[in-house]
Formats: sequence, structure tokens, C-alpha cells
Amino acid sequence: AQRVTQPEKLLSVFKGAPVELKCNYSYSGSPELFWYVQYSRQRLQLLLRHISRESIKGFTADLNKGETSFHLKKPFAQEEDSAMYYCALEGSGNTGKLIFGQGTTLQVKP
Amino acid sequence: DAGVTQSPTHLIKTRGQQVTLRCSPKSGHDTVSWYQQALGQGPQFIFQYYEEEERQRGNFPDRFSGHQFPNYSSELNVNALLLGDSALYLCASSPSTGGFYEQYFGPGTRLTVT
Repeated sequence: AQRVTQPEKLLSVFKGAPVELKCNYSYSGSPELFWYVQYSRQRLQLLLRHISRESIKGFTADLNKGETSFHLKKPFAQEEDSAMYYCALEGSGNTGKLIFGQGTTLQVKP
Repeated sequence: DAGVTQSPTHLIKTRGQQVTLRCSPKSGHDTVSWYQQALGQGPQFIFQYYEEEERQRGNFPDRFSGHQFPNYSSELNVNALLLGDSALYLCASSPSTGGFYEQYFGPGTRLTVT
């Protein structure tokens, strides 16, 4: 079964501290993985996808197929990073059918 | 470009009734996907429309149906509403060229079933 698990509902850190938002997936095949973000009073939007290997707003995510993980990391959290973060998986075949995790709220305290 | 727009913003229906939600995609996008987001959960894929046909479907009953018009806008219909259908319904659009993965989401329609 295709599944995405985000074990933490809430992650609270102080400004300047490192951040790691965890994401584990279950999928037999080569998944495409993404992180979506929703800032307060804004729409859900794509943050990054694993295949592009980009760093967006200082965030990076590495796909670890052995551990079936795709954790989102940032070395120094900023207050403006406070948001809801969703990990999502797309099955093979360029379907556009996204399977989302339950989301993690990141709270960055001053 | 206003991006993806959805209407209405919210509505209240009674159990057993039928509801229609509407979505206009971002300019230049021809594919529309619908998601249901229950409180405290991530979005769940309902179905996707491309070229006026249902291209993909998630694990939702036939009470959930949709339509896509020639101008790429879309409707989500839910029949015989249940209390459990109360949720935020999100519409997302994407271009078929370059991959369907980058989906632009609308603000959602909040449906409450009483």
C-alpha cells in the first residue's frame, strides 16, 4: 500500500536552531517525493521535490531509499518558517495523484 | 492571474442532500485534481480530470462524481451527504505538459454536513 507517515504533529524549535521534519513512506517502486507547505492564511504550495535536488528557502530533503525516508532539513530555523508542512508521494507514471502525510506544524519561537 | 479559484467558500448542508463545488484552474493549466481534507489530516486524493475525462480516482465511493468543462473548469458533486463528508475540499490545477506533479491549490471550500 502507498502511504506517507509524518510521525510528529508538532515540532517546536527556537530561532536559529536546526530543523528536521520527518517523513517516511511506503511504496514498492520508484516514488517521486515532495514537500508542500502551508503558511498561515495562505494556500498549500509546493516547497521542493526530491528529483530537483534544490535548496528552497534554505530547506533540503534527501531521499533515502534504504530507510524509505525523505526528511526535510534546515540548519538554522527562521520565524517565517513557521507553517504546516506536508510530505507527499506520487506513484510512478507521472500520474499527478499525490498521497499526503498528516502534516507537521513547525513552530519557530523567537 | 488569480490562480486557482473555488466557490463557494463554505456551505452547510443537511445529511442526505446533494452538493456541487466549483473550481477554476490557474491560467494555462488543463488538469484539475480534487482532494478532501478532514480536520487534522492531510489532503486525500478524490479524482483528477484531464481532457474532460476522469483520469485518476482515489478510494472514494461513487457518491463522489465530477465533471470538467471545455474551459478546464471543474465541478465536484457529492450525493447523499453523510456527516463524515464534512471537510475542506481542495481543488488543484496543473499543466499536463512538464508533468502533473506541481499542483497549484485553491483556497478550498469548507463543507459542513449537519
